[in-house]
Amino acid sequence: NAGVMQNPRHLVRRRGQEARLRCSPMKGHSHVYWYRQLPEEGLKFMVYLQKENIIDESGMPKERFSAEFPKEGPSILRIQQVVRGDSAAYFCASSPQRSYEQYFGPGTRLTVT
Amino acid sequence: DQQVKQNSPSLSVQEGRISILNCDYTNSMFDYFLWYKKYPAEGPTFLISISSIKDKNEDGRFTVFLNKSAKHLSLHIVPSQPGDSAVYFCAARETNNNDMRFGAGTRLTVKP
Repeated sequence: NAGVMQNPRHLVRRRGQEARLRCSPMKGHSHVYWYRQLPEEGLKFMVYLQKENIIDESGMPKERFSAEFPKEGPSILRIQQVVRGDSAAYFCASSPQRSYEQYFGPGTRLTVT
Repeated sequence: DQQVKQNSPSLSVQEGRISILNCDYTNSMFDYFLWYKKYPAEGPTFLISISSIKDKNEDGRFTVFLNKSAKHLSLHIVPSQPGDSAVYFCAARETNNNDMRFGAGTRLTVKP
């Protein structure tokens, strides 16, 4: 029973490029959450999605960031025109329903040069 | 706004002794609290949780205590083992809110 998968594990982008981060939830899980961890800080909630629906994006920056969870395939967190301040570890978590315990992936470390 | 605070960035404990990790919160609407453990280059792993209707939850070597009046919770690990060395995150959420708030983490080092 594979856990939450995230790829790539490391991503380097130059300022102005686009970053696409992928998350495959655990089998049977239809709820996906994205978090961002800046250096020396805790995880900050970004967005909560179910299949084909964004349920809560209150933690997403208003511009350049978007997320989707299509009917087929992984959830995608997309960052357009990346800036240095976007450098962080991005974690995806999933749950079988809207439950308290979320299972985290290994994260994608984004570095913007 | 830091609604969940872990004021100790690091803690060092001798193997076999007790580790006590602390967490404070400000939002009185939080009704569920969790501890996650994180090793380098891995995602956080759920460790133990407690509902606000309880003041203690125990699972093997791990016990979480909740003091609602003080808005404080703690994680006790006894006896501590070198494999417990990791960063521990405290998290809190309220019913009907998707936003789980995390503390900044405490790095625990258990020395053999």
